[in-house]
Order: sequence, then structure tokens, then C-alpha cells
Amino acid sequence: AQKVTQAQTEISVVEKEDVTLDCVYETRDTTYYLFWYKQPPSGELVFLIRRNSFDEQNEISGRYSWNFQKSTSSFNFTITASQVVDSAVYFCALRLGGSEKLVFGKGTKLTVNP
Amino acid sequence: DAMVIQNPRYQVTQFGKPVTLSCSQTLNHNVMYWYQQKSSQAPKLLFHYYDKDFNNEADTPDNFQSRRPNTSFCFLDIRSPGLGDAAMYLCATSRGVAHSYNEQFFGPGTRLTVL
Repeated sequence: AQKVTQAQTEISVVEKEDVTLDCVYETRDTTYYLFWYKQPPSGELVFLIRRNSFDEQNEISGRYSWNFQKSTSSFNFTITASQVVDSAVYFCALRLGGSEKLVFGKGTKLTVNP
Repeated sequence: DAMVIQNPRYQVTQFGKPVTLSCSQTLNHNVMYWYQQKSSQAPKLLFHYYDKDFNNEADTPDNFQSRRPNTSFCFLDIRSPGLGDAAMYLCATSRGVAHSYNEQFFGPGTRLTVL
């Protein structure tokens, strides 16, 4: 069965600090997709990134970067120079190829203090 | 802007009184999903529609039903809400697994209170 573990329940940083959110996944399938979502206090889940299992290329988007390593089954998310607006709960999720079901981690609550 | 819309944003119902939550989309996506998210927990998939095909999760209680009358709309019916059904209900859409761009897009959610 597939599983996503976000070991960090809560993280608190001061503005402008860099922060990395960890995500470890488990699956025996060779085809799968990984996602990160942001859930601000308003409640809406905002899609950030999708990665498929055949693409280990890391990605950078502005202050956000993602590190996908199949060897360690990890898909970590780094925010550089954090801002107060980054405060939210961040979910990592896994979907197997051929399945519509997203399996979410328990989420990491990030608080960025001014 | 293309989007996923949920109405109402807040719903209060009484114990045992049926309630219907609504979701619509302008993305023209094939798949629509309903998730339940309780406080400080991850979203939990209840069911999804791929076009008109309904797919129920094995652990979704019979108390929860869904309808998708057309591509744009999907409804969540809770036949007899209990106190344990108080939660945020999230609707999402996607193009489906066969598509390369298969991420799910979520609506703002409906927060259900059961008195």
C-alpha cells in the first residue's frame, strides 16, 4: 500500500529564513506522481507542483524549489527567504499511475514570523 | 478565470437533517472528487466521478451520496448528518490519470457544522 510521511508536524521560522519541508513516500509501483499543495488559513488547497516517477529533475520556481530523490523516496520542498504569506499547512501527496486517488501526508504547518 | 466553485461556503444543519453541498467547475475536467477534511487532518477522498462513472471509496459511509448531472456540476448529499460529519468538504477536479497534466484543482471548500 502507498503511504506518505511528513515527519514535521509544525515548523516556525523567522521571515527571510530558508526552510525545508520533508516528504517521504512508500510505494512498490514504478509509475506514480508526487504533488505538493499549500493550504492557507482560508482552507483552499492550492496546487504547487507535480512530479512523475520518471522525472527526477529538480525544479525551482521563484523562491520555491523541490528536490526529488528516488533513491531515498523523498520529495522535499524548500522555501528560500520565507515570507509571512508563506504561512500555511503544506501537504505532500502521492498518486499511483492508473489511480485517481491522492494519498496525502498529514501535512506540515509552517508559521513564518515577522 | 477557470475555477472550481463551491456553495455554500458555510453550511449549518441539524443532527439528522439532510444537507446537499454543491460544486461546479469551469475547467471542463473529466473527473470530479469529493474530499472530507476534519480539523488538523489531511483530506480524505470520499468518492469521485470519471465523467458519469461513479467510484466510491471502500470506507465511505452509506450516509454520503453524490450526483453528477452534467460535466460542470457535482453534488454531495449527506442523508442524515451526525456530529462526526462536521468537517470541511472539498471538491476537486482533474483531467484524469490518462492525461499528462493530471493534478487536482480544489475549490474553496464548504465548512459544515452539525448542531
